[in-house]
Amino acid sequence: DIQMTQSPSSLSASVGDRVTITCRASQGIRNDLVWYQQKPGKAPKRLIYAASSLHSGVPSRFSGSGSGTEFTLTISSLQPEDFATYYCLQHNSYPRTFGQGTKVEI
Amino acid sequence: EVQLVESGGGLVQPGGSLRLSCAASGFTFNDYWMDWVRQAPGKGLEWVANINQDGSEKYFVDSVKGRFTISRDNAKNSLYLQMNSLRAEDTAVYYCARALVYWGQGTLVTVSS
Repeated sequence: DIQMTQSPSSLSASVGDRVTITCRASQGIRNDLVWYQQKPGKAPKRLIYAASSLHSGVPSRFSGSGSGTEFTLTISSLQPEDFATYYCLQHNSYPRTFGQGTKVEI
Repeated sequence: EVQLVESGGGLVQPGGSLRLSCAASGFTFNDYWMDWVRQAPGKGLEWVANINQDGSEKYFVDSVKGRFTISRDNAKNSLYLQMNSLRAEDTAVYYCARALVYWGQGTLVTVSS
């Protein structure tokens, strides 16, 4: 199985901060990576697909980069509604595997 | 608008069975792979299984192989997860998702005596 290691597991930030979350795959996954945002009690929402493509309707302050084994999600200027938990997912091979999540707190 | 509505969750004893359903609307159901993903209370996301458009391909995470089956009824725009030999560690909110893009709101399965 491909292991997805996300870091950090949590971070504290302020409105307006630039935030970067990293996801590392245990083997190369090309760009078969998705980023999700999840708020408490809600289903995850896709932010980024194919490592760097913005899902329709997602604000442009979210961006993704990377290929192979190392990927990043960047929020250029954190907004109050961005406080949530973020997950990466690889869909290069089975079983699909998620990172353990990064909780972004105030 | 894509809508996915899960149902069938509840409290079940260890060793018991449960069948989850996911009713889909707002898109052409038989055009898409469908997935089940779960989330144990306070934990992260775990992919469980998926099925292709005509049901001929199915994949499972190792921890549920031989216990869970996934199926779909394209005439009813519905996805199913049959869960047998349930264990305490299967306790989770179960989400159905259209190709891991759009997700339902989930249904809670609690395995406890």
